[in-house]
Amino acid sequence: SAVISQKPSRDICQRGTSLTIQCQVDSQVTMMFWYRQQPGQSLTLIATANQGSEATYESGFVIDKFPISRPNLTFSTLTVSNMSPEDSSIYLCSVPGSDGELFFGEGSRLTVL
Amino acid sequence: GIQVEQSPPDLILQEGANSTLRCNFSDSVNNLQWFHQNPWGQLINLFYIPSGTKQNGRLSATTVATERYSLLYISSSQTTDSGVYFCAVSINQFYFGTGTSLTVIP
Repeated sequence: SAVISQKPSRDICQRGTSLTIQCQVDSQVTMMFWYRQQPGQSLTLIATANQGSEATYESGFVIDKFPISRPNLTFSTLTVSNMSPEDSSIYLCSVPGSDGELFFGEGSRLTVL
Repeated sequence: GIQVEQSPPDLILQEGANSTLRCNFSDSVNNLQWFHQNPWGQLINLFYIPSGTKQNGRLSATTVATERYSLLYISSSQTTDSGVYFCAVSINQFYFGTGTSLTVIP
């Protein structure tokens, strides 16, 4: 199994600002996934981050709003840009194990005022 | 995408009671996982179970892939079992279910 660390664990932000969430994995992985969980809802995939190429975004998510970096095989960042209260969510980083099982970081709980 | 429905949506149990959570999915899948999300938001892997039956302590899970459902059994529930239980299925990506919110009262 993978050990995944996310920072920050929680933050309170003002609308119009941007926040970058970091995800560090203890082993090299090809794919990293970013999910959003809005209050009381299930998880929705934002994008898949591949090292050395542009992230692949799911329908409803765009790079200008959620830019992603993947500088190496153990690290990724997700930025939530120009935040509004609707962006208040838990953002989760995940990686697949060798047999396809999905592992998650602790999550970053974001509140936008 | 695949539709994943979980039932019941909410469940309140007395400590010590048993329960069964269900996950139905709309298409054939390669993988299926059960997660427990604790009150702090962390997702904890419970089972990776594309088919068959697995047990881990008071928890067990069964997936019948041909009939497109999975069941999670919780026996002798404890207050620490409270939280939201998600199933997730995948073909090319993981699709998460609607969740079951479980509250275990002492």
